[in-house]
Amino acid sequence: QSALTQPPSASGSPGQSVTISCTGTTSDVGGYNAVSWYQQHPGKAPKLIIYEVTKRPSGVPDRVSGSKSGNTASLTVSGLQAEDEAEYYCFSYTVNDNWVFGGGTKLTVL
Amino acid sequence: EVQLEQSGAEVKKPGESLRISCKDSGHDFAKFWIGWVRQVPGKGLEWMGLTYFGGSDTRYSPSFQGQVTISNDKSISTAFLQWSSLKASDTAMYYCARQKDFYIHSWGQGTLVTVSS
Repeated sequence: QSALTQPPSASGSPGQSVTISCTGTTSDVGGYNAVSWYQQHPGKAPKLIIYEVTKRPSGVPDRVSGSKSGNTASLTVSGLQAEDEAEYYCFSYTVNDNWVFGGGTKLTVL
Repeated sequence: EVQLEQSGAEVKKPGESLRISCKDSGHDFAKFWIGWVRQVPGKGLEWMGLTYFGGSDTRYSPSFQGQVTISNDKSISTAFLQWSSLKASDTAMYYCARQKDFYIHSWGQGTLVTVSS
């Protein structure tokens, strides 16, 4: 199965908002409310920041949000801060009881 | 806090076998699946498959089916990822991850596997 499609990079200045897309098909992103997002800083394990498309785990600030339209899920980070600079990955359940990651997006805070 | 404790870094030669482990110290570990995720240096995350502590069910990504073996020993709340014959292309960081309800709840610290002659 193919990885979900994410832009390789995104950027924004402190205080701005950035949206990262994650495009799949009706067999994964579009077929289930089972998209989650993970933040990974260099040399660290990933961390869950959004699950079930829109939900935030405790401890994740409300300036982080998720949404979905059709086969594309999106992650929005508002009020960008230096600590938001990281790699971001989407993850979706797929048909046949499989899961697939997106290719990852490197977010740079200018 | 749930802890997934992975075994230490490994350096192996091509053709050798290897098994790495992931111990789940959570009191409710039997409710969760343990997945394995590969990250080649400088590259993205790849979902490999997962195993269920509550039974013997195991699922594999088509990309990894036949390349690795995923298993678990419920009596010691530990999951395993195994290779019978390593290749240089298996060099990567391998993370175990607690999965339930379609997402990954928590991650291990990672095990670096280096395969080099």
